[in-house]
Parts: sequence; structure tokens; C-alpha cells
Amino acid sequence: SQKIEQNSEALNIQEGKTATLTCNYTNYSPAYLQWYRQDPGRGPVFLLLIRENEKEKRKERLKVTFDTTLKQSLFHITASQPADSATYLCALDGSGSARQLTFGSGTQLTVLP
Amino acid sequence: EAGVTQFPSHSVIEKGQTVTLRCDPISGHDNLYWYRRVMGKEIKFLLHFVKESKQDESGMPNNRFLAERTGGTYSTLKVQPAELEDSGVYFCASSQDLGGFGYNSPLHFGNGTRLTVT
Repeated sequence: SQKIEQNSEALNIQEGKTATLTCNYTNYSPAYLQWYRQDPGRGPVFLLLIRENEKEKRKERLKVTFDTTLKQSLFHITASQPADSATYLCALDGSGSARQLTFGSGTQLTVLP
Repeated sequence: EAGVTQFPSHSVIEKGQTVTLRCDPISGHDNLYWYRRVMGKEIKFLLHFVKESKQDESGMPNNRFLAERTGGTYSTLKVQPAELEDSGVYFCASSQDLGGFGYNSPLHFGNGTRLTVT
């Protein structure tokens, strides 16, 4: 069956360092992958989208890579700040419908001052 | 631009009662989605509207759940009768088609309705 795994439930890093979050999937051939940020008590907020034919996408301090051979996406936050502390979710289009997103369980990132 | 709004933010009901959740999408967004997160699980797709039509309702768990979007504006999700396992956070999201790449439109989520069935 299809499965998405995000590398760890929680990740703590020091301010100024680069945070790297991992999203692995099995039994999928997604056309695209999205990353969202979620703060407590709020809905997910879209950050970046990367298509299957793209290797890398950047937006300000954020960078996403997509390796369809490894079935993996990496999400990087450079020069991390305490305000980056949140849960980060990866989401892939599910089978049968490009509009039906399947979410990973998320990685809770804490940036320590 | 006003975001996606959901009402109520919290609801506590007893097993067997009925609850109706409401979602107002971003104005002009034809696509409206319902997702939910039950305790300890991932956010799961429930269904998708394009305007007033149900495009995909494959994620609806059973016939106790009924979603409507009359007039293609706001949507309601009714749970009747509610069961304990229905407890969770129900998210609504909307998106705007962007020409031929509409399926890539990012989702704009509301803050969810936290439903507790006791």
C-alpha cells in the first residue's frame, strides 16, 4: 500500500543552522509534492510545490529537492530562526486523483535560540 | 484577501447527536476540500467539490457524513449520528484553478473545527 514517512517526529536545531527534513514515500508515482507548515491550533500553510520533473525549488531561505529515483524529498531551512519552529508536512497527490493530497504525519521542528 | 473560515472552531457533542460544520472558502475559489485529522493520525482527504458538484468523495468514511455546497459558495459537513471515532479536527481548504495546471494549485486551509464526541 502507499505510504509516506517523514524522518522523525521531532527535530531540534540551534538558531542559525540549516534544518533538513526528509519525506520518503513508497508505492507512489506522484506528479508533484508539496510542503506545508502548521502551527498549533492553525491549519496547514502552503510553502512550496515541486513537480516530478524538477530537481530543486527555492524560495527565500527554503529549498526543496525531489528525487523520484530515491522516492524522497528533502526540505531545507537555512539560517533557521526560532520563528521557524512549527510542524512541517509533506503532501503528495494520491492515486487516482491529482487533487487528492496525501499527507505525511509531519516533523515538529524546534529552533533553539 | 480573507482566508478560509470555518465555524465553529470547537464543538463538543454526545454520541448519537448531529453536528454541522461550515466552511467559507476564499472568494472566487471553485475548488473546496474537506480533510480531517483524527488523534495521532495524518491529515486525511474526505472530499472535493468543484463549484457545487462533488468531484471526489472517495475519502468519506461512511454514510453518516454528508457534505453539501449549495450554490457553489460555502460548504457544510454534517455528521449524523456522531460516533466516538469521529472526534478529530476537520479542515476545509480551497484552491483556485490556474488554467491547465489547476491541479497544482496550492491549498489554502482554514484553522479547522475541533470536534469532540463524548
